[in-house]
Amino acid sequence: EVQLVESGGGLVQPGRSLRLSCTASGFTFGDYAMSWFRQAAGKGLEWVGFSRNQAYSGTTDYAASVKGRFTISRDDSKSIAYLQMNSLQTEDTAVYYCTRGRRAGTWVFDYWGQGILVTVSS
Amino acid sequence: DIQMTQSPSTLSASVGDRVTITCRASQSISSWLAWYQQKPGKAPRLLIYEASSLESGVPSRFSGSGSGTEFTLTISSLQPDDFATYYCQQYNTWWTFGQGTKVEIK
Repeated sequence: EVQLVESGGGLVQPGRSLRLSCTASGFTFGDYAMSWFRQAAGKGLEWVGFSRNQAYSGTTDYAASVKGRFTISRDDSKSIAYLQMNSLQTEDTAVYYCTRGRRAGTWVFDYWGQGILVTVSS
Repeated sequence: DIQMTQSPSTLSASVGDRVTITCRASQSISSWLAWYQQKPGKAPRLLIYEASSLESGVPSRFSGSGSGTEFTLTISSLQPDDFATYYCQQYNTWWTFGQGTKVEIK
């Protein structure tokens, strides 16, 4: 059974950093891309960043709203993806979802973690 | 950025009704469109990808159609488990979502 479990969320002050982890199981982690999305309370879904697996260059891309502040990395040996969030702003407050990217033409996200809340507030 | 617009924002329906949700893209996205279902406090669930392909395990009462800029999600006979919010997502250029359609009990 495919499982994605996020951890590392919580309350953080503006300007500080936080690192989220996504621990995967039930599939060969290195065969898949991984992506992060977020959803502010009562709002819609927003793409945050994307990490290709090694077969597709292993590169990353980011939404304009987080580029230069957030970094995705992955440890294929441990089946963990990370989202390093620096210079956090109040507008980064949201539930963050880790997702698995499946190649279907381009990339579609077929499994999502349960989500983890990040609150940026003084 | 490609903008996605869903209609309606809210839909009131009864069990057994046929329900249709529309999604429009601000430019052509070919068939690179997915539909997700989200229930309160839960993660989104992939229902449809490539505009009309049913994800494994999803009931056949869900179907998708369209290409280019106009897409629809249809639920042929609404079931109690289907009351939720539905999002379309384009994956032609990065990933952007519609604002969601809440399907509520009439």
